[in-house]
Amino acid sequence: QQPVQSPQAVILREGEDAVINCSSSKALYSVHWYRQKHGEAPVFLMILLKGGEQKGHDKISASFNEKKQQSSLYLTASQLSYSGTYFCGTDTRDDKIIFGKGTRLHILP
Amino acid sequence: GAGVSQSPSNKVTEKGKDVELRCDPISGHTALYWYRQSLGQGLEFLIYFQGNSAPDKSGLPSDRFSAERTGGSVSTLTIQRTQQEDSAVYLCASSSKQGNQPQHFGDGTRLSIL
Repeated sequence: QQPVQSPQAVILREGEDAVINCSSSKALYSVHWYRQKHGEAPVFLMILLKGGEQKGHDKISASFNEKKQQSSLYLTASQLSYSGTYFCGTDTRDDKIIFGKGTRLHILP
Repeated sequence: GAGVSQSPSNKVTEKGKDVELRCDPISGHTALYWYRQSLGQGLEFLIYFQGNSAPDKSGLPSDRFSAERTGGSVSTLTIQRTQQEDSAVYLCASSSKQGNQPQHFGDGTRLSIL
């Protein structure tokens, strides 16, 4: 039931792009994305509802493919502040959110 | 304050002791979640409260773990007869309704079992 995230870790240079994937074995009602910096609480990024929508703000966007039960998070022209661990959380219509194991993103100057 | 408040921020206790962790959600938020995060690991779901409905306890790892939520607000997570493997950061989150709303996390309680 836990979604699978890939890759587990990414190292980028500032300005490069990254894609983080999240897939589920169960039908999804919504997908949540959060970022957690070391020693801090996770912070909400965005929620995507079923319907194949795509959302974004600034240079971080995400897509949700309901049929494939997958979501992807896109970070373009990465900044140092993007470093952290990214978690996807999935809701299979029972309202509780189950998180993946996270993707560690490290941005080098 | 406006955010989710957890206490204590740190707790060190001896193996075999009982501990209580407290979560004060954002006022008006009906959904409350508890997660456990071991060092370098993901967010492990423990329990979910929604309004006056029976809680979803499907993530509790053993019967040593229990949680309650009084008056639809403050929640307490209790771990009895603590074991070393219980050492982790325990995070609480609240949201305004059900699963399609953003979760707001507290800063967590870092629990260390000696």
